[in-house]
Amino acid sequence: GAGVSQSPSNKVTEKGKDVELRCDPISGHTALYWYRQSLGQGLEFLIYFQGNSAPDKSGLPSDRFSAERTGGSVSTLTIQRTQQEDSAVYLCASSLAGTSASDTQYFGPGTRLTVL
Amino acid sequence: DAKTTQPNSMESNEEEPVHLPCNHSTISGTDYIHWYRQLPSQGPEYVIHGLTSNVNNRMASLAIAEDRKSSTLILHRATLRDAAVYYCILSKRQAGTALIFGKGTTLSVSS
Repeated sequence: GAGVSQSPSNKVTEKGKDVELRCDPISGHTALYWYRQSLGQGLEFLIYFQGNSAPDKSGLPSDRFSAERTGGSVSTLTIQRTQQEDSAVYLCASSLAGTSASDTQYFGPGTRLTVL
Repeated sequence: DAKTTQPNSMESNEEEPVHLPCNHSTISGTDYIHWYRQLPSQGPEYVIHGLTSNVNNRMASLAIAEDRKSSTLILHRATLRDAAVYYCILSKRQAGTALIFGKGTTLSVSS
């Protein structure tokens, strides 16, 4: 079946502009995660959605970052007033339930964001 | 959060077995041990996970120490396509199971 898809694959923007990154999780997966990976760094958790529960936003680095998940499926990560330090690969993952420590996460290919 | 320790890098030759170690001395009784890998320019990919017993799947084997303070990911016959960063991760038990990635082990495979 189809995996996690993300769009766009690459995004170049100017400092101060807003950007929206999209994630389509695997059908039927109730949990959705956003991570980011800066150059040469490990993956950093940003936000987690589980069903209709309030999202866990504990990883968002600033209030310029926000995310929505509509209808329990597609998610959009929005970065307002982008800064150069926001340049990174933004990765989305989904899992079947998200409530078990054994749950497997399936990652998308990522969106490479470059802020000039 | 329980922490894992892995070597920064390892090298292997094609068709040889590879043993990737991971120390997790502060693991709690109900933490699962997950392994993911990240090939160049791709998102992470699930490899295997376990709790107490050794596990095998089509990609690899996971050997877990009896005291659970360490584990070893075993690739039985390395191929060039196995060159990647391998992450050993302990799952959080709080609500939401976001993965906490460390720096992982960069595996190089030579022909």
